[in-house]
Amino acid sequence: KAGVTQTPRYLIKTRGQQVTLSCSPISGHRSVSWYQQTPGQGLQFLFEYFSETQRNKGNFPGRFSGRQFSNSRSEMNVSTLELGDSALYLCASSLTGGAPLEQFFGPGTRLTVL
Amino acid sequence: SQQGEEDPQALSIQEGENATMNCSYKTSINNLQWYRQNSGRGLVHLILIRSNEREKHSGRLRVTLDTSKKSSSLLITASRAADTASYFCAEGSGAQKLVFGQGTRLTINP
Repeated sequence: KAGVTQTPRYLIKTRGQQVTLSCSPISGHRSVSWYQQTPGQGLQFLFEYFSETQRNKGNFPGRFSGRQFSNSRSEMNVSTLELGDSALYLCASSLTGGAPLEQFFGPGTRLTVL
Repeated sequence: SQQGEEDPQALSIQEGENATMNCSYKTSINNLQWYRQNSGRGLVHLILIRSNEREKHSGRLRVTLDTSKKSSSLLITASRAADTASYFCAEGSGAQKLVFGQGTRLTINP
């Protein structure tokens, strides 16, 4: 099975712009989660989607949003970029289920905001 | 912060030695998971231990869990250079939402 893929791998934007990141989960996985990783804050949960519905949301401002499509692919969007949004954004997929399961991570998208 | 803590933050040992990393968490967990990350890449799942388990083994990995102390430890035996990475524990307490610790950076010296 192919692993989780994320595009693009690297992105450079300027303050005030918006950005869309894409994630394709492992075939058959219906849950997609997004995490932000920075040196200062570490790994922080952004949100999780299951069957096109957001099930969980972390403590991030409304500038961060996401969606999931019927084929389980997911996108996250960050509007009005700030310097502090520079980070590695990781997507993870897992099988369905209420209990937290093993998550499979993609390689990440490294976003740099200038 | 809801994030747990890991100890030590950095660990440097000789190849062949054992490495032990500790994790303290804050929530009532369903399970506790350990992940490895190589230099700014994606995370790789290592092992999952459920809240009703006390110890689990996988190859050279041994994980213990003490729910009364809200702590877990990861032991890597007979370390190799390829084990050099950052290791994170993650609290699994809600559906597919993991709360990660700050991580331990492990360096294996040849």
